[in-house]
Amino acid sequence: AQTVTQSQPEMSVQEAETVTLSCTYDTSESDYYLFWYKQPPSRQMILVIRQEAYKQQNATENRFSVNFQKAAKSFSLKISDSQLGDAAMYFCAYRSGGSEKLVFGKGTKLTVNP
Amino acid sequence: GAVVSQHPSWVICKSGTSVKIECRSLDFQATTMFWYRQFPKQSLMLMATSNEGSKATYEQGVEKDKFLINHASLTLSTLTVTSAHPEDSSFYICSAWQGLGTEAFFGQGTRLTVV
Repeated sequence: AQTVTQSQPEMSVQEAETVTLSCTYDTSESDYYLFWYKQPPSRQMILVIRQEAYKQQNATENRFSVNFQKAAKSFSLKISDSQLGDAAMYFCAYRSGGSEKLVFGKGTKLTVNP
Repeated sequence: GAVVSQHPSWVICKSGTSVKIECRSLDFQATTMFWYRQFPKQSLMLMATSNEGSKATYEQGVEKDKFLINHASLTLSTLTVTSAHPEDSSFYICSAWQGLGTEAFFGQGTRLTVV
């Protein structure tokens, strides 16, 4: 079974600085997708960024980018120019290409200090 | 973007009663929806996969008689917590995909408190 590991239960960053959240996963499949979801205090799950395994180019969405290292099975999220609104729980998630099930990591709580 | 609406946002019920939670896809059809449970400060735990027109598929350890799932239409799935007990108190979230491989949309969640 696939597993997703987030080794940082909590992280903090100064406003306007950059922070990187770590995620590793374990799979024997070649076709899969990786996601970062944000869960603010409202608890609404929001997609931050998505990466298809077959794409070598790292995904980028404005201030958010990933470092996808397929051989190392690593999928870290970099948040640049951190803002107070970025404070939330961040979940890394894996989805097999042949399934709609998401496997979530345990999450990283990000605090942004003014 | 696509929207998944979950209702109610919160509910308090007495021990022994049943409570129904609705999950609707507002602008797309979803043959499959997912129900998660989230304990405080923890991750989402998949409870079951709701399949339109057929029986739900439950994850190991989830009591199917306790958590009844009905997916009667392409836009509506319901989760009924039967004979609720205080230990069933939790945050329940549903989700649905719009197009394979694109994005899973999540409902706002339902906070259930059993007293």
